[in-house]
Amino acid sequence: AQSVTQLGSHVSVSEGALVLLRCNYSSSVPPYLFWYVQYPNQGLQLLLKYTSAATLVKGINGFEAEFKKSETSFHLTKPSAHMSDAAEYFCAVSACETSYDKVIFGPGTSLSVIP
Amino acid sequence: GAVVSQHPSWVICKSGTSVKIECRSLDFQATTMFWYRQFPKQSLMLMATSNEGSKATYEQGVEKDKFLINHASLTLSTLTVTSAHPEDSSFYICSARGLQYINTIYFGEGSWLTVV
Repeated sequence: AQSVTQLGSHVSVSEGALVLLRCNYSSSVPPYLFWYVQYPNQGLQLLLKYTSAATLVKGINGFEAEFKKSETSFHLTKPSAHMSDAAEYFCAVSACETSYDKVIFGPGTSLSVIP
Repeated sequence: GAVVSQHPSWVICKSGTSVKIECRSLDFQATTMFWYRQFPKQSLMLMATSNEGSKATYEQGVEKDKFLINHASLTLSTLTVTSAHPEDSSFYICSARGLQYINTIYFGEGSWLTVV
């Protein structure tokens, strides 16, 4: 079974500061990991995904995440926060053994960017 | 990239009525579709997994007689909320996965359901 935890339900950063959103996973098989962003009243947008290729994954809008198996982590970072980054961020995991596998979401982290 | 379309994007219905939400994969064959529910300021909760041509697999705590899921073709899955009540008001999101996109699932834009 797979599960995801996200430390910090709410994170505030100043504009231009480093963004760090934490994600730890639990999986009985090598996982596929995802970060999604959700803007208010909108659906989900895929930021990036890890599928067992490079451990450092670069996504859209300047975000990147590093898969660390020893720490079972997949933290999301961005060097410099923009006001437009304010949104809800979800880390997700899938076993992806077959095409039928479901994606399990973490509880989400709300990011606020202070001018 | 692959596109998943949901319809309607929002709906308001009266208590006791049934509401159908459609999820379509527009340019690929979705062997599996997933239905999620999201309450305000909460995460997405998986309701059920729908495989084409077979019965949906429901997550624990989800009433299969209340949330009817049909996946009759490789491009269409429907979620019907039967006898809707105000507590069913939520954001419903579908996602789809096809054999040619085995590493990624694609999400619809969601459907807002308000039951009054």
